[in-house]
Amino acid sequence: QVQLLQSGAEVKSPGSSVRVSCKASGGTFSTHGISWVRQAPGQGLEWLGGTIPVLGTVKYAQKFQGRLAITAGASTSTAFMELSNLSSNDTATYYCARDRGQLVAGLDTWGQGSLVIVSS
Amino acid sequence: DIQVTQSPSSLSASVGDRVTLTCRASQRVDTYINWYQQKPGQAPTLLIYTASTLQSGVPPRFSGSGSGTEFTLTINSLQPEDFVTYYCQQSYTSPYTFGQGTKLEIK
Repeated sequence: QVQLLQSGAEVKSPGSSVRVSCKASGGTFSTHGISWVRQAPGQGLEWLGGTIPVLGTVKYAQKFQGRLAITAGASTSTAFMELSNLSSNDTATYYCARDRGQLVAGLDTWGQGSLVIVSS
Repeated sequence: DIQVTQSPSSLSASVGDRVTLTCRASQRVDTYINWYQQKPGQAPTLLIYTASTLQSGVPPRFSGSGSGTEFTLTINSLQPEDFVTYYCQQSYTSPYTFGQGTKLEIK
């Protein structure tokens, strides 16, 4: 059974960037889609983007175009999400999640979440 | 972007009740709707995918239906652990948007 282990909490200054990692163990990685989803405190879920490592496909929500970068290494079974030009509105828990298929089949495995706090 | 709207935002019910949660998409999404359950302080878990297929390990009191733009999640015989928050997500077209959630509360 695949497990996703994310990097730890971060405190960032406005205008800076954050990079969150997501390492898969115990199952297949590169043939499945990996999505990144965030949740601001007390709020709902927001899909940021995703990748299919074996295809090199990356999709982003338009809202984050230009300041979001999602990468994945098939050989390392690790995905990364980098968000730049941070503001207080980016304070949230960031989750990686593996899709049952290739980004469209439902997110069946989730990481534990990485809290990112943006504060001056 | 496809907008996904869940109703109600919150729902009060009792243990043993049957409840139905609704998810509407702003355009047709075939059956590309997934349902998730989220307990406080935890990551979401997948309950149902492609509108009506129960994820492995999910109790059969959960069921989903719908196609096109309107979808429902039904929970039969509510258990105490079911009083948490539920989200639907469309995976028809990127960005794969979520609804705002329905919080199920004990009456």
